[in-house]
Amino acid sequence: EIVLTQSPGTLSLSSGERATLSCRASQSVSRYLAWYQQKPGQVPRLLIYGASSRATGITDRFSGSGSGTDFTLTISRLEPEDSAVYYCHQYSSSPPWTFGHGTKVEIK
Amino acid sequence: EVHLVESGGGVLRPGGSLRLSCAASGFTFDDYGMTWVRQAPGKGLEWVSGINWNGEITRYADSVKGRFTISRDNAKNSLYLQMNSLRAEDTALYHCVRVWDTAAVGPLDYWGQGTLVTVSS
Repeated sequence: EIVLTQSPGTLSLSSGERATLSCRASQSVSRYLAWYQQKPGQVPRLLIYGASSRATGITDRFSGSGSGTDFTLTISRLEPEDSAVYYCHQYSSSPPWTFGHGTKVEIK
Repeated sequence: EVHLVESGGGVLRPGGSLRLSCAASGFTFDDYGMTWVRQAPGKGLEWVSGINWNGEITRYADSVKGRFTISRDNAKNSLYLQMNSLRAEDTALYHCVRVWDTAAVGPLDYWGQGTLVTVSS
């Protein structure tokens, strides 16, 4: 099973700052990596797929990068509504297709 | 607009069985793979099972393999999860989720609100 390790566990930043979230895979997933945002009481929302492609309707403040085992989600110019838990998800060739444990982003 | 509405959750004893259903609308159901993802209370996301567009390919997490069965009825635009030999650790909110592909795997672009399964003695 491919394990996804997300860091940090919690990120506390001010509005307008840049957030950098990391997701590391225990073995290569090529670019089969997605990012989701989950706000309290809501279902997850797809932000990024294929490591760097933004999903429909997602602001360009969200960007993804990486390949192989190391991936990054960057949120530029944080806004209060970005407060959420962010999950990475690998969907490479073989199951199980796993999620990371999440990074909580708090806006000070 | 895409809608995924789950039903069938409930409270039951360990060892029991349950069948979850998901009614899909707003898109051509048999153009997409589908999955079940669960989230235990206060916890993260766990992929449970996936099925391709025509139901011929199914995949399971090791934690549910041999106990859960995923299926679909494209004529009824419906997805199912038959859950047998339930355990306390199966307690979670079960989401029906669309795969952005015809395969059983891929980015997950639309999520239902979920149906709660509670397994307790």
